[in-house]
Amino acid sequence: LAKTTQPISMDSYEGQEVNITCSHNNIATNDYITWYQQFPSQGPRFIIQGYKTKVTNEVASLFIPADRKSSTLSLPRVSLSDTAVYYCLVGPRRGSGAGSYQLTFGKGTKLSVIP
Amino acid sequence: DTAVSQTPKYLVTQMGNDKSIKCEQNLGHDTMYWYKQDSKKFLKIMFSYNNKELIINETVPNRFSPKSPDKAHLNLHINSLELGDSAVYFCASSLQGFDEQYFGPGTRLTVT
Repeated sequence: LAKTTQPISMDSYEGQEVNITCSHNNIATNDYITWYQQFPSQGPRFIIQGYKTKVTNEVASLFIPADRKSSTLSLPRVSLSDTAVYYCLVGPRRGSGAGSYQLTFGKGTKLSVIP
Repeated sequence: DTAVSQTPKYLVTQMGNDKSIKCEQNLGHDTMYWYKQDSKKFLKIMFSYNNKELIINETVPNRFSPKSPDKAHLNLHINSLELGDSAVYFCASSLQGFDEQYFGPGTRLTVT
């Protein structure tokens, strides 16, 4: 079971780039890495998903080294509205039946953006 | 239009009661989930159904029983509620398996 470890909290000033790293030493060959964002009193929201190297979308980038034992979520030029908890999730994208899905959420990183 | 909806949003009940939380998704997804988020904000999966078939059943007391009448609905029934059941329960859905999940707004359950 791939377990994830993230920093508990991070602070950043507005306009800075923020990098949040997640460790997943036991990641399996068919596991993907997914990041979610959660605001208070709301359900988590998908940010980005990747398998290896680099993935970029309109809100973030995900960097995954060759050994895949860690990953880094990069948020460019954060604003106050990016203050939230960010979760790293590791698991297979497609399972082959019951028990194939292993959805392990990290404990989350609370990002506080300071004006 | 709400993609994943849950009812009720708040639920306050006494120990020993039986209660249900309903979840519906209008995204046409095949897979639905129930998560529990406790006071420490740990988000833990409880159940997952794929096209009405149970595919994940984590270590959850058997007082919790999911029911999926069709692939658009996954309800959570809880018997003999205990104080430790107090938490926010999130329903989610995805197209298949581990695809991007869409979460509902959550149901805050308080057991007194």
